[in-house]
Amino acid sequence: NAGVTQTPKFQVLKTGQSMTLQCAQDMNHNSMYWYRQDPGMGLRLIYYSASEGTTDKGEVPNGYNVSRLNKREFSLRLESAAPSQTSVYFCAASKGQGNNEQFFGPGTRLTVL
Amino acid sequence: AQKITQTQPGMFVQEKEAVTLDCTYDTSDQSYGLFWYKQPSSGEMIFLIYQGSYDEQNATEGRYSLNFQKARKSANLVISASQLGDSAMYFCAMRENSGYSTLTFGKGTMLLVSP
Repeated sequence: NAGVTQTPKFQVLKTGQSMTLQCAQDMNHNSMYWYRQDPGMGLRLIYYSASEGTTDKGEVPNGYNVSRLNKREFSLRLESAAPSQTSVYFCAASKGQGNNEQFFGPGTRLTVL
Repeated sequence: AQKITQTQPGMFVQEKEAVTLDCTYDTSDQSYGLFWYKQPSSGEMIFLIYQGSYDEQNATEGRYSLNFQKARKSANLVISASQLGDSAMYFCAMRENSGYSTLTFGKGTMLLVSP
């Protein structure tokens, strides 16, 4: 089992470009999440999907959109990248309701010039 | 107010010694969960240990234990017999009953283990 996979691992964009970060999980978990990690800030939730077909905003959703394509896949889209979106992005998955741990992907390091 | 506070930006410990990483939390929920994650220099996030608010005993997982003091709203991570491989960032996180399975993370503590 691969767990949670993310592509790409690294990406450099110019301001105004768009891109989609891909995330997939093979654990048959219901809930999926996107976080960003900035130096000294810990992880902050961007969007989450409690179950297939639903998405909700987290703490820092501005400038992002998400799609829960099916139970396995949850993508994060930057429509017009800005330097403030330079960060490391993590996707995670959990069983859902209850105090279940979240399993994280390896992360995507994004730089916006 | 911050929901999760980790007051130690960095900690040093010698190999084989025990170390405590502090975490305090703020919630008005009666039911909540507390988690600790480890992030080594390679970047991945590794789940270490979980404590539920109604759990009467402190959680333990191998060399990791959680010193849960509910009245003080603290959930400190204790690592016994530190190893060089324990050098990493450590994050405390909380799930509140009113939030759907989402976690709020602290800013982390960098632990360095010296030989």
